[in-house]
Amino acid sequence: NAGVTQTPKFQVLKTGQSMTLQCAQDMNHEYMSWYRQDPGMGLRLIHYSVGAGITDQGEVPNGYNVSRSTTEDFPLRLLSAAPSQTSVYFCASSYGTGGGRYGYTFGSGTRLTVV
Amino acid sequence: AQTVTQSQPEMSVQEAETVTLSCTYDTSESDYYLFWYKQPPSRQMILVIRQEAYKQQNATENRFSVNFQKAAKSFSLKISDSQLGDAAMYFCAYRESGGSNYKLTFGKGTLLTVNP
Repeated sequence: NAGVTQTPKFQVLKTGQSMTLQCAQDMNHEYMSWYRQDPGMGLRLIHYSVGAGITDQGEVPNGYNVSRSTTEDFPLRLLSAAPSQTSVYFCASSYGTGGGRYGYTFGSGTRLTVV
Repeated sequence: AQTVTQSQPEMSVQEAETVTLSCTYDTSESDYYLFWYKQPPSRQMILVIRQEAYKQQNATENRFSVNFQKAAKSFSLKISDSQLGDAAMYFCAYRESGGSNYKLTFGKGTLLTVNP
């Protein structure tokens, strides 16, 4: 089925460890983004990309790194995990100029716990 | 920067009754999109309804409708004939229409409880 595939669904890390959250979409969407969801804070934008080779920072980028080598993939890297990065992470994609009309597609989320 | 405010952290409604969730936003743009997303306990983000700012007619999707007041920058969601399956977190979101700003900005959410 077409959509956004996000892996893993759950992860526990130790402080200082690094890891990569994977996100792939098969809808040829130009725009891809990563959000984190914390209780009482809504969804906050971490990083986003408007096309292959183009990335930019969102509202809460510190401690995270992204790259976009293909249209389909947009991995999120945690460089040195901290307990403050315990959260639920969502990947979302959309068409660029048509994103407002056609909406955004979300992955199923990753619940990350840093101990 | 655009901001989206949901002033009701929690709401409750009796089954079969009507409930309205509030959302206000701040923008200097004249053309934009507004969305309501539902997040049930499964964590999946589900698009409920979408409104284009240049359209004066309020959007409707079955039991879900919006009251879009552009001058007041208000975008409330009305759920009619509430069902147990409507219990979820609801997020209001904003996105500009033109240019290359495709970012989706969310409010902090309203947790809706439906009582049988």
